[in-house]
Amino acid sequence: DIQTTQSPSSLSASVGDRVTISCRASQSIDIYLNWYQQKPGKAPKLLIYAASTLQSGVPSRFSGSGSGTDFTLTISSLQPEDFATYYCQQSYNIPWTFGLGTNVEIK
Amino acid sequence: EVQLVESGGGLVKPGGSLRLSCAASGFTFSHAWMTWVRQGPGKGLEWVGRIKSNLDGGTTDYAAPMRGRFTISRDDSTNTLYLQMNSLKTEDTAVYYCTTVRGPGRVNYFDYWGQGALVTVSS
Repeated sequence: DIQTTQSPSSLSASVGDRVTISCRASQSIDIYLNWYQQKPGKAPKLLIYAASTLQSGVPSRFSGSGSGTDFTLTISSLQPEDFATYYCQQSYNIPWTFGLGTNVEIK
Repeated sequence: EVQLVESGGGLVKPGGSLRLSCAASGFTFSHAWMTWVRQGPGKGLEWVGRIKSNLDGGTTDYAAPMRGRFTISRDDSTNTLYLQMNSLKTEDTAVYYCTTVRGPGRVNYFDYWGQGALVTVSS
């Protein structure tokens, strides 16, 4: 199975900060990496698919990059509604797998 | 508007069975690949399994911990997705989400999610 390792597991940031979250795959997965945001008590929400394609309706402050084994989710200017947990997910091979998540907290 | 509504969750004893349903609307269900994702209390997301559309063969795949115990099926006549769970274990306690699967080839992502159904396995 392909493992996806996120870092950091949590971070504290302030409104307006630039935030980057990393996801590393245990083998090359080309661009088959998606990002989700989850707020407490809510279902996850798709942010980015195929490493860098912004899902419709998602603010442009979110961006994704990377290919192969190393990927990054960037929030260019953190907003109050962005405090949440973020997950990466690979779709290169079944079983599809998620990272353990990165909790973005208010500093 | 796409809607996915799960039902059938509840409390079940270890070794028992439960069937979850997911009522879909707002899109052409018969053309859609669907998946179940679960989240244990205080834990991250875990992919459970996927079913292709009947147009694409209707085949299923499962994560290893669920294989042989869980079965995903669909009824395109009623736009309903099912998850039959047998031989339940305490570690199956989780919120179970149904999702749509989009994308060509390996570009598979989960774009719509239900609100989730809580399954508690406890004696």
